[in-house]
Amino acid sequence: GDSVTQMEGPVTLSEEAFLTINCTYTATGYPSLFWYVQYPGEGLQLLLKATKADDKGSNKGFEATYRKETTSFHLEKGSVQVSDSAVYFCALSDRGDDKIIFGKGTRLHILP
Amino acid sequence: DAGVTQSPTHLIKTRGQQVTLRCSPKSGHDTVSWYQQALGQGPQFIFQYYEEEERQRGNFPDRFSGHQFPNYSSELNVNALLLGDSALYLCASSYPGQPYNEQFFGPGTRLTVL
Repeated sequence: GDSVTQMEGPVTLSEEAFLTINCTYTATGYPSLFWYVQYPGEGLQLLLKATKADDKGSNKGFEATYRKETTSFHLEKGSVQVSDSAVYFCALSDRGDDKIIFGKGTRLHILP
Repeated sequence: DAGVTQSPTHLIKTRGQQVTLRCSPKSGHDTVSWYQQALGQGPQFIFQYYEEEERQRGNFPDRFSGHQFPNYSSELNVNALLLGDSALYLCASSYPGQPYNEQFFGPGTRLTVL
């Protein structure tokens, strides 16, 4: 079945460092891809999305590009802030499917 | 515009008991999905309700059941609670016809089974 694999955390970086969180997926169809973020004590929020190959999703300085040839959707940010500390989930939803499939999440700690 | 709301925020039950969790979808949304998020894991899909019917179900036992009301709000019921049912239960709402399956999540109900 469909699945998402993302790098295990925790990831600890200093403020203004470059961030990459790797994500690869397995899907039988042609899925939409997402990154969700979960701040401490809060629910999941959609951070960015991409719905077709080579699409680049972006939001709040974060970017991810839908790479069909490598089945990847890595999350990047050029300069992280302490406020980016959270758990990040890579996810997919196959066309015509009602469910979203999530990775296990990557906890990010940013040190001032 | 209120987002997705869930109640209660926290709940403590003992093994064998039954629990009901509640969810109100975002305004304009008519589809509700439920997810279970165990500690340190990603959310797992339980089921989705649309037009008061269960439309799709994930790999969860029949102890997990749900209901959707005419106002689109939803309940998740879990019978014969097990210790392993301890988790954050997330409700998400959406509407059909979106070009991609974007779902809006509530803050969750933290269920602890002792």
